Amino acid sequence: EVQLVESGGGLVKPGGSLRLSCAASGFTFSNAWMTWVRQAPGKGLEWVGRIKTKSDGGTTEYAAPVKGRFTISRDDSTNTLYLQMNSLKSEDTAVYYCTATLQYWGQGSLVTVSS
Amino acid sequence: EIVLTQSPGTLSLSPGERATLSCRASQSVSSTYLAWYQQKPGQAPRLLIYGASSRATGIPDRFSGSGSGTDFTLTISRLEPEDFAVYYCQQYGRSPPIWTFGPGTKVEIK
Repeated sequence: EVQLVESGGGLVKPGGSLRLSCAASGFTFSNAWMTWVRQAPGKGLEWVGRIKTKSDGGTTEYAAPVKGRFTISRDDSTNTLYLQMNSLKSEDTAVYYCTATLQYWGQGSLVTVSS
Repeated sequence: EIVLTQSPGTLSLSPGERATLSCRASQSVSSTYLAWYQQKPGQAPRLLIYGASSRATGIPDRFSGSGSGTDFTLTISRLEPEDFAVYYCQQYGRSPPIWTFGPGTKVEIK
């Protein structure tokens, strides 16, 4: 059974940093392009960014609102995906989901940016 | 950048009725890369349709997708109580490799 479990969310002040983790199991993590999607309270879904497999170059793509502030990385030895978030703003407040392909989503991790 | 528009914003229907949801793209989208999701409160999105018309694993056949170019449709043939939720269309591009979501259609009980 495929499982994606996010962790690391919480309350952070504007300008602060936070790192989310996503523990993957039930599939070959090293073969999967992994994606982060977020959802602000009461709003729709917003793509955050993606990381390719190492065999596909391991490159990353980011949405314009987070480019230069967020970094996606992966550790294939521990089947873990990361989202490093710096210079956080109030508009980054959202539930953050990690996804593998289109079908598999984690349960989400809430990040609240507030003073 | 492709922009997806969904209509209507809210659809009020009764169980057993047919639901027709629309997704329009600002420019032509390859059918290969158009998906639909269902999301209930407090839950992650659930993939229903990919490739515009292929049902995802475990999705009942009352859900169907169609369309091409800039106009796509999700149809729920007969609404079950568990189908009342928000539905999002998504374009998952390869070049550039980004995802774009529509704003969603809420299907509510009339």
